[in-house]
Amino acid sequence: QVHLQESGPGLVKPSETLSLTCSVSGDSINTYYWSWIRQPPGKGPEWIGYIFFSGSTDYNPSLRSRVTISVDTSKNQFSLKLSSVTAADTAVYYCARESSYFGTGSSFDYWGQGTLVTVSS
Amino acid sequence: DVQMTQSPSSLSASVGDRVTLTCRASQSISRYLNWYQQKPGKAPNLLIYAASSLQSGAPSRFSGSGSGTDFTLTISSLQPEDFATYYCQQSYSLPNTFGQGTKLEIK
Repeated sequence: QVHLQESGPGLVKPSETLSLTCSVSGDSINTYYWSWIRQPPGKGPEWIGYIFFSGSTDYNPSLRSRVTISVDTSKNQFSLKLSSVTAADTAVYYCARESSYFGTGSSFDYWGQGTLVTVSS
Repeated sequence: DVQMTQSPSSLSASVGDRVTLTCRASQSISRYLNWYQQKPGKAPNLLIYAASSLQSGAPSRFSGSGSGTDFTLTISSLQPEDFATYYCQQSYSLPNTFGQGTKLEIK
């Protein structure tokens, strides 16, 4: 059974960098695409970006200037950094596995439990 | 970005009812549409992918249909555990985008 677990600080100060790690078990990170998704309180999810084990990434244009996603295949982990955070970045952050269909389509079939990150001084 | 609009935003129904939720895309997305169920304090759970394919482990009372811009999720006979919020998501083009959700409540 595939299991994903987010870890990192639950409180970040404005203008600082949010850093989270997702640990994957039950599957090798050397397959699939792996994504970060966030959900502000009371709102729908927002896709942040993905990474492939090779290091290939793509990001949501709305966040691209502030986001970096990296992978550590030796630890079966991938990470998120979001710089210059503001209160608008307060959300539950999820990591998720993407499975493909039709060759180019995908769905998020496994998710971590999520971690609430609050941006406040 | 492809905008996803779900209707209604909330719906009251009773156990045993047949309900249909709607999702509309701002442009054609073929069948690149997924549905998720989310319960309070939990991560979204994939129910339907590719518009109509039932995810492994999802109950058969859930079904999806549609293509192009208009999609539906149908629950054939509501069970108590189905009261939750449902999201659609397109994977036709990046960035992946989600709808704002339909909250299904007990009448």
